[in-house]
Amino acid sequence: DVKVTQSSRYLVKRTGEKVFLECVQDMDHENMFWYRQDPGLGLRLIYFSYDVKMKEKGDIPEGYSVSREKKERFSLILESASTNQTSMYLCASRLSPDSSYEQYFGPGTRLTVT
Amino acid sequence: GQNIDQPTEMTATEGAIVQINCTYQTSGFNGLFWYQQHAGEAPTFLSYNVLDGLEEKGRFSSFLSRSKGYSYLLLKELQMKDSASYLCAVRDGPVSATNKLIFGTGTLLAVQP
Repeated sequence: DVKVTQSSRYLVKRTGEKVFLECVQDMDHENMFWYRQDPGLGLRLIYFSYDVKMKEKGDIPEGYSVSREKKERFSLILESASTNQTSMYLCASRLSPDSSYEQYFGPGTRLTVT
Repeated sequence: GQNIDQPTEMTATEGAIVQINCTYQTSGFNGLFWYQQHAGEAPTFLSYNVLDGLEEKGRFSSFLSRSKGYSYLLLKELQMKDSASYLCAVRDGPVSATNKLIFGTGTLLAVQP
């Protein structure tokens, strides 16, 4: 069974804090993704990584950065958290870009910035 | 631009059949996925279509028409546990390292007794 884990299910941070969200997958997947999910807006891609140390901006990268030093781990960083970054954050991984492979999602981190 | 449309909410009765529609307008197309997401949980994969036609998998089927930019997810013999959000997602480019999925906002299905 593919397993994608995220470091926290719930997180409360203050405005201006630096926040780290970590994601680990155990199936040697090449690609990893960070999304945020908001009511009425659906899943929106923040960043993705197609290989170690490689990253690509998604649709809403502003205010975020990422790090992928090891294949199994993909970190999302909020350099200075703001209240509009309160959201559900979902990590996903995919074996490869082959068209038939789906993404596997982690359980999500609900982040509240006060 | 990129646009994927799904109904926001639907209600159906236990034991019945429900069809959830998805229309898309994207700059490229290389496959359409359906995911199920129960409240507070991660999305889980249901189906994948890349060619026109119907793909059946147990009680769930998914249909694709590329010329019409249209897909639907058909759920038969509805059960209470099918109450969830159903997400339509389109792969917007060729098979390459940098391709990604574009998600619709999801359809919240409520199954009533």
